[in-house]
Amino acid sequence: AQSVSQHNHHVILSEAASLELGCNYSYGGTVNLFWYVQYPGQHLQLLLKYFSGDPLVKGIKGFEAEFIKSKFSFNLRKPSVQWSDTAEYFCAVRTFSGGYNKLIFGAGTRLAVHP
Amino acid sequence: NAGVTQTPKFQVLKTGQSMTLQCAQDMNHEYMSWYRQDPGMGLRLIHYSVGAGITDQGEVPNGYNVSRSTTEDFPLRLLSAAPSQTSVYFCASSLIPGGTYEQYFGPGTRLTVT
Repeated sequence: AQSVSQHNHHVILSEAASLELGCNYSYGGTVNLFWYVQYPGQHLQLLLKYFSGDPLVKGIKGFEAEFIKSKFSFNLRKPSVQWSDTAEYFCAVRTFSGGYNKLIFGAGTRLAVHP
Repeated sequence: NAGVTQTPKFQVLKTGQSMTLQCAQDMNHEYMSWYRQDPGMGLRLIHYSVGAGITDQGEVPNGYNVSRSTTEDFPLRLLSAAPSQTSVYFCASSLIPGGTYEQYFGPGTRLTVT
């Protein structure tokens, strides 16, 4: 079955620390990859997405992610986090099987950034 | 554009009660879907629709019904609420189900079933 794994459920960092959140998926075909962010009390917002081309994609708020096809991974990075990055982060993978393109979410990583 | 709107924001139900969660979008999106979000499980797809009059089941459809009579609205009905349906429900929409689309999410409905 197709699945998305996010390795860290909770991450605690100090401001200015670097961030890397892992995401691996299990699906051998074509995929589109997404990172969504959910700030406390808010709905999900798209952070960045990868469809094709340069495997290093840049998103909003200084985030970037790298697609490594051989490792089935799409890790999210930010060189220097801020307190305002405290949120829950979801990796999602869209697969193309059958007539319906399904968006599968990982379990999420809760990030807390301390000043 | 209001985007994707959901009502109510919060709801408490007793076991066995029924209710409808409302979802509307004003972006003329064909594709709409309902997810539930549970701690440690991410978002799981309940039902989706690729256009007015067309709906299908997602990963966890049991206990829920949907219909799509207009492009704008996609209500989710709980037929007989159970404590296992305590969750946060998100509605989402996108322009087309395939292609390079982006899903837009509503603010969510927090449902508690006692």
